[in-house]
Amino acid sequence: DGGITQSPKYLFRKEGQNVTLSCEQNLNHDAMYWYRQDPGQGLRLIYYSQIVNDFQKGDIAEGYSVSREKKESFPLTVTSAQKNPTAFYLCASSIQWTGENEQFFGPGTRLTVL
Amino acid sequence: AQSVTQLDSQVPVFEEAPVELRCNYSSSVSVYLFWYVQYPNQGLQLLLKYLSGSTLVKGINGFEAEFNKSQTSFHLRKPSVHISDTAEYFCAVTLTGGFKTIFGAGTRLFVKA
Repeated sequence: DGGITQSPKYLFRKEGQNVTLSCEQNLNHDAMYWYRQDPGQGLRLIYYSQIVNDFQKGDIAEGYSVSREKKESFPLTVTSAQKNPTAFYLCASSIQWTGENEQFFGPGTRLTVL
Repeated sequence: AQSVTQLDSQVPVFEEAPVELRCNYSSSVSVYLFWYVQYPNQGLQLLLKYLSGSTLVKGINGFEAEFNKSQTSFHLRKPSVHISDTAEYFCAVTLTGGFKTIFGAGTRLFVKA
């Protein structure tokens, strides 16, 4: 079955550590996205990638980094510079980056800072 | 700048009753409109979308939404809800010709027996 996988499902980070969240899709989609979800705030865009080897900052990119070396993979690193990283992180993809295309979401990773 | 307002943060309703989840948007240009559903601890999945044409859009699980350009609204409706409809619902807007999607804050639907 085609879809998006995210791992791990739960992740615990000590202060000062960098952690990497995995996102893989087998839908052959060009565009991929990372969102952060906090209670009562909807989804906020962290980074997006329109095509392989290209990515752009979203609204809340500070303290995060990404790479897009393969079409199917878009990992997100939460660095120690992100002061409040506890949240639910969602990865998504769409056929192309134009707005008429719906996004397909992974099951999410819940990150907790200890 | 575009924005999305979901007017109710929580909507409790009894099983088999009708429900309407309200969504208003602000944009100076044409938009594409979406409703997504999120079940607990899961990702979002598309319920329905409006791109153009008929203003009444039908989606999965018996949901429908009506685009009202004059009122800049895209309210989601279901004539008879089930316990399994308990979830969080997100309205989303993308500018035509653009790519960035703005999500509303979400509405939690609680269906009670």
